[in-house]
Amino acid sequence: QKEVEQDPGPLRVPEGAIVSLNCTYSNSAFQYFMWYRQYSRKGPELLMYTYSSGNKEDGRFTAQVDKSSKYISLFIRDSQPSDSATYLCAMSENTGGFKTIFGAGTRLFVKA
Amino acid sequence: DTEVTQTPKHLVMGMTNKKSLKCEQHMGHRAMYWYKQKAKKPPELMFVYSYEKLSINESVPSRFSPECPNSSLLNLHLHALQPEDSALYLCASSQDYRDRLDQPQHFGDGTRLSIL
Repeated sequence: QKEVEQDPGPLRVPEGAIVSLNCTYSNSAFQYFMWYRQYSRKGPELLMYTYSSGNKEDGRFTAQVDKSSKYISLFIRDSQPSDSATYLCAMSENTGGFKTIFGAGTRLFVKA
Repeated sequence: DTEVTQTPKHLVMGMTNKKSLKCEQHMGHRAMYWYKQKAKKPPELMFVYSYEKLSINESVPSRFSPECPNSSLLNLHLHALQPEDSALYLCASSQDYRDRLDQPQHFGDGTRLSIL
């Protein structure tokens, strides 16, 4: 079993839709949770960074962490064609060290 | 534009060549990373430098040799690579507080490497 599971998609939605992206994980030591967006031929861009459980909102993006279920989500409201990209979840432990574990990434296509 | 700059953006080299990838950041970060990313796959960690010292080497073949000349620069020296080494090589950096080594990483746009 992989430490982090993420459906690779593709996920195709119409413009204006609410998008829900999800990851599950198995390592209960993970405390820090990130979402990165990666456009084709570009590096991953940090979107959201959350510690422990709870919600965090930034503009059209909301990140949720449910540690009891080992489940994290990223919601995108009013999706735009410019949101079309691969979204990678990532997480790391609380015990220090530099290892960030990435999900496989979900490819999102927002159709105008 | 990202705050982590990588050069060159593209590199094509033969299996006998020697080349270097370069990475620069001016965010005051003291941890720097090299990742390898194949198409439609997540980044795979190769090396981590903390305060210019090699902290993690993920059992990467010796044909890849990292170097951290100072806190802003990170190099990856390449020699005798194989066709399967063709990939996007990403550099990242993060804060490195000694009591919290968990700051998020910021990535460059990578060098797309093709081995003939």
